[in-house]
Amino acid sequence: NAGVTQTPKFQVLKTGQSMTLQCAQDMNHNSMYWYRQDPGMGLRLIYYSASEGTTDKGEVPNGYNVSRLNKREFSLRLESAAPSQTSVYFCASSEVGGPVYEQYFGPGTRLTVT
Amino acid sequence: KNEVEQSPQNLTAQEGEFITINCSYSVGISALHWLQQHPGGGIVSLFMLSSGKKKHGRLIATINIQEKHSSLHITASHPRDSAVYICAVRSVDSNYQLIWGAGTKLIIKP
Repeated sequence: NAGVTQTPKFQVLKTGQSMTLQCAQDMNHNSMYWYRQDPGMGLRLIYYSASEGTTDKGEVPNGYNVSRLNKREFSLRLESAAPSQTSVYFCASSEVGGPVYEQYFGPGTRLTVT
Repeated sequence: KNEVEQSPQNLTAQEGEFITINCSYSVGISALHWLQQHPGGGIVSLFMLSSGKKKHGRLIATINIQEKHSSLHITASHPRDSAVYICAVRSVDSNYQLIWGAGTKLIIKP
């Protein structure tokens, strides 16, 4: 099993450009998450998908959109990138989004917006 | 004030030392997670606790629900334990969102 995979691993964008970060999991998990991690700060939830067909805003959703394409895939889109979106982005999945289930993380995407 | 506070922020120790990392939280929780982030960036779940104590190899995690405090201990520390250790809690008010600590950066010198 590959677990949680993310593409790309690195990306440099110019301000105003758009891009989509891809995430896929092969563990048949119901719930998927997108986080960003900035230096000196904890992980912050951008969006999550409790189950296929549903998405909800997290702590910092502004400037992002998501699509839960199917049970395996959950993508994050930046429509018009800004330097404030320079960060490391992690995708995660869990069996069910309840308290007894741990989250499994992808390797991260390092995004720089100039 | 952050809802999840970790201490210390940075810790440097010699190989073999007993390590303690602390996590305090201010909300009612249903579970607490300890995770490890390697220097390369990957994040791995170490423990998930709702009460008591768990042990895995040289790692021990404890939680005191009444005091809203958890500790992560590493016995016989080794340079390969060097990483950022992150505490996260699941509030009783949310099924899906974790509240994350800022992490403790641990360096073990040989």
